[in-house]
Amino acid sequence: GENVEQHPSTLSVQEGDSAVIKCTYSDSASNYFPWYKQELGKRPQLIIDIRSNVGEKKDQRIAVTLNKTAKHFSLHITETQPEDSAVYFCAASIREVGRSQGNLIFGKGTKLSVKP
Amino acid sequence: KAGVTQTPRYLIKTRGQQVTLSCSPISGHRSVSWYQQTPGQGLQFLFEYFSETQRNKGNFPGRFSGRQFSNSRSEMNVSTLELGDSALYLCASSLYGRGFETQYFGPGTRLLVL
Repeated sequence: GENVEQHPSTLSVQEGDSAVIKCTYSDSASNYFPWYKQELGKRPQLIIDIRSNVGEKKDQRIAVTLNKTAKHFSLHITETQPEDSAVYFCAASIREVGRSQGNLIFGKGTKLSVKP
Repeated sequence: KAGVTQTPRYLIKTRGQQVTLSCSPISGHRSVSWYQQTPGQGLQFLFEYFSETQRNKGNFPGRFSGRQFSNSRSEMNVSTLELGDSALYLCASSLYGRGFETQYFGPGTRLLVL
């Protein structure tokens, strides 16, 4: 089955710096890659996602890149702010329109700390 | 629209007992998935329900079960609790659980098994 590995497990940056979190997946059939942010004591919330027919997607300070050949995808946060401090999870799944969604397989998470 | 809700939010049980957790999806959402979150294993998929039917199941023992009602509300049950079942149990809902729909998570139920 699918396996998702996420690195690093912890990341500390200064406010204003960029942060990059990387994930690799094992199942070449996976075609949907969401990223979730979970603040302490709160629920995971989707921040960005990408489908396998797209190489990069941006939303303001957040971007995700996907390399299907190498089976890895990355989250990029620019101009980090203290409120970006949270645990970030990547995930992968096989999604097909018209069929059941299948499982979301999550990475183990990255604890990002942004120091003022 | 109200978000996904879960009850209870906190629960303390002892080994051998059983527990039932409840999840109410966003209004109109018909797919409900359950996940177990622990510090060591992260977020792991338990099962997914759609139209009162289990469509997908993760790699958990049979002590973990669930069901979905006609109003899409879902419950999960854990029988014969073990210490290792202590975790945050999250449910997530989506419209039909198909294509590339976003899954919206509830706040979770934190279960402590003593």
